[in-house]
Amino acid sequence: DTEVTQTPKHLVMGMTNKKSLKCEQHMGHRAMYWYKQKAKKPPELMFVYSYEKLSINESVPSRFSPECPNSSLLNLHLHALQPEDSALYLCASSQEPVDLFYSGAQETQYFGPGTRLLVL
Amino acid sequence: AQSVTQLDSHVSVSEGTPVLLRCNYSSSYSPSLFWYVQHPNKGLQLLLKYTSAATLVKGINGFEAEFKKSETSFHLTKPSAHMSDAAEYFCVVRGGGGSNYKLTFGKGTLLTVNP
Repeated sequence: DTEVTQTPKHLVMGMTNKKSLKCEQHMGHRAMYWYKQKAKKPPELMFVYSYEKLSINESVPSRFSPECPNSSLLNLHLHALQPEDSALYLCASSQEPVDLFYSGAQETQYFGPGTRLLVL
Repeated sequence: AQSVTQLDSHVSVSEGTPVLLRCNYSSSYSPSLFWYVQHPNKGLQLLLKYTSAATLVKGINGFEAEFKKSETSFHLTKPSAHMSDAAEYFCVVRGGGGSNYKLTFGKGTLLTVNP
C-alpha cells in the first residue's frame, strides 16, 4: 500500500482566517514533505520532515507553519494567507530519512491527492 | 547540478496509437529518474522509476521508459494510448539546486488523447 491521504480536499479561507491541512501515511515512512503547486506548473518543495524533525525549510513565509506530531501525521497550519497563496498543496512521504549528503539515494516519494486551497 | 528538460509541452495522439513523451536530463552523477502522472485536479502518481538495475524500466498502465546514458534521455512510451491516459506527465530527477533530497521537476507535458 502506497497511500498518502490528505484532508480536506478543498478549502476556502479568508485572509484573516486560521486553518490547517492534514496529511497522513501508514507506510512507516520516516520522511514527509509539503509541496505547493500553482496551476499549470510543477510542484515546488516547501518543507521536509525527517524523523519528525524539520530538516528543510525552502524559505517559506512564516504564515505557513508545518508540524509533525508523530511519524504518521504531518500538518500545515495556515494564518493570514494572501490570495496568491491559492494553490494545490501536496503532501508526500518517502521511506528513508532525508540524507543531505548522500547523493546516491534513490528514494521514491509518494504523493497524496492534495488540498486545493482558495484564499479570498 | 541536476536538471530535466521535457521537450514537448503538449502532445496529442489518437486513441490506440503509440505515445512518446520526451525527457532529457543533466546530472553530475548517476541519476535517479522518475516519471509521475497527474490527472486533472488530482495528486501525482508514480508511473515508474530508474534504479540503475535495468535501462528499460516498466511501469504501471503499460508505460515504460528507457534510460540512455549516451543520449542523456529518459523518454516515456506506451504502445497504445487510452482515453484514460490523458493527463499531465512530469519527468523528475532526484537532486538539484545543490541538494540531493530535492526532486527537480520538468515543466510537464500535457497529453491529450483523441477518440
